[in-house]
Amino acid sequence: IVLTQSPGTLSLSPGERATLSCRTSQSVSSSYLAWYQQKSGQAPRLLIYGSSNRATGIPDRFSGSGSGTDFTLTISRLEPEDFAVYYCQQYDTTPTSFTFGPGTTVDIK
Amino acid sequence: QLQLQESGPGLVRPSETLSLHCTVSGGSITNSNYYWGWIRQPPGKGLEWIGSVYHSGTTYYNPSLSSRITISVDTSKNQFSLRLSSVSAADTAVYYCARHPVLWFADPGFDIWGQGTLVTASS
Repeated sequence: IVLTQSPGTLSLSPGERATLSCRTSQSVSSSYLAWYQQKSGQAPRLLIYGSSNRATGIPDRFSGSGSGTDFTLTISRLEPEDFAVYYCQQYDTTPTSFTFGPGTTVDIK
Repeated sequence: QLQLQESGPGLVRPSETLSLHCTVSGGSITNSNYYWGWIRQPPGKGLEWIGSVYHSGTTYYNPSLSSRITISVDTSKNQFSLRLSSVSAADTAVYYCARHPVLWFADPGFDIWGQGTLVTASS
């Protein structure tokens, strides 16, 4: 399964809404789609698992949605610390494997 | 709280074997709810899952790397390890270890990560 993320770069201002897209080449279970945030020089951080469940400690301005082949990560109001790279990731059962998307960079406009 | 820490050489010669360890602290690697995985990231590029191991020794590997990788677990040391053979410049990357739940416990996602270690394949 191939993951495609769009846009490649999203230039926004603090306080604006960010909408990030992840499309899969085949339909995937919504339980098997996750989102991560990665800041420069840091390890990725799990934001969303099961398409729409926030991980522990993740602010409620982050939300995930979608099903089938189209999934979305929304940041309702960008805070200065939200400017980073965001990756989607899917899990496959046959064979058991994980695949990451190429990432979307959210930078300051 | 649970923490993961990668360790190993930062420089590996081409054609040789890369060997890394991940030490788990603040919890047990024998926790039946979790797998333990390796992910890498070439400089300036995206993330690639390498493989995962359960405390019993059951492993799952990325098919594109499976011929060159071995992931093992040492429960006595609360540690799991990665060996990648026949390395080339293309294997230069930051290598992360991370934890993900078994399916019957929670939806899959890497919820705890090590800080990562840069391994350079160069002569």
